[in-house]
Amino acid sequence: GQNIDQPTEMTATEGAIVQINCTYQTSGFNGLFWYQQHAGEAPTFLSYNVLDGLEEKGRFSSFLSRSKGYSYLLLKELQMKDSASYLCAVREYQAGTALIFGKGTTLSVSS
Amino acid sequence: NAGVMQNPRHLVRRRGQEARLRCSPMKGHSHVYWYRQLPEEGLKFMVYLQKENIIDESGMPKERFSAEFPKEGPSILRIQQVVRGDSAAYFCASSQTSGSSYEQYFGPGTRLTVT
Repeated sequence: GQNIDQPTEMTATEGAIVQINCTYQTSGFNGLFWYQQHAGEAPTFLSYNVLDGLEEKGRFSSFLSRSKGYSYLLLKELQMKDSASYLCAVREYQAGTALIFGKGTTLSVSS
Repeated sequence: NAGVMQNPRHLVRRRGQEARLRCSPMKGHSHVYWYRQLPEEGLKFMVYLQKENIIDESGMPKERFSAEFPKEGPSILRIQQVVRGDSAAYFCASSQTSGSSYEQYFGPGTRLTVT
């Protein structure tokens, strides 16, 4: 089976840095994805990690520790438009290429 | 390059009717996935298809739900005899290959409301 946990809600202010954590328990880990989803819209791809370490892409970075079953998404220089849900998703070997999603973290950025 | 297209964007059906949801993958993508998102729930995988083949339908309810991806035309998710519990957002995603590093691109979703 699989279990993916992330906080339900987070708040932050413009210009700040926020870290959204994700822990997972899977059998046969084969990659972790982060997606951003604005209300009423489609999820959009942010990052992919399969090896331990940090992947940086502009204001967004994602970290993975396979031994701990842990990832985080780091958002720097927050902007109001970053208010959205952030979805952590894991791919398992057994599940082929289907993604297993957590329930998402709703981030609210205030001025 | 057009993204993943889904239609209709909103669909209202009465209990017992059929719902047909369409998905056209991105150009050059031959892998299609359907996910369902219930209120306050995460995206749940339903089915994974390639042209004319169902690869993995482990997430799809055994009854009333079916999916196809014909040689020509969009992928179709069909829900027969809809019930109120089927009300949800249904997202289609496509990818270029089945390799693990290839991200899935999502369509805008179809919001199904069963009255």
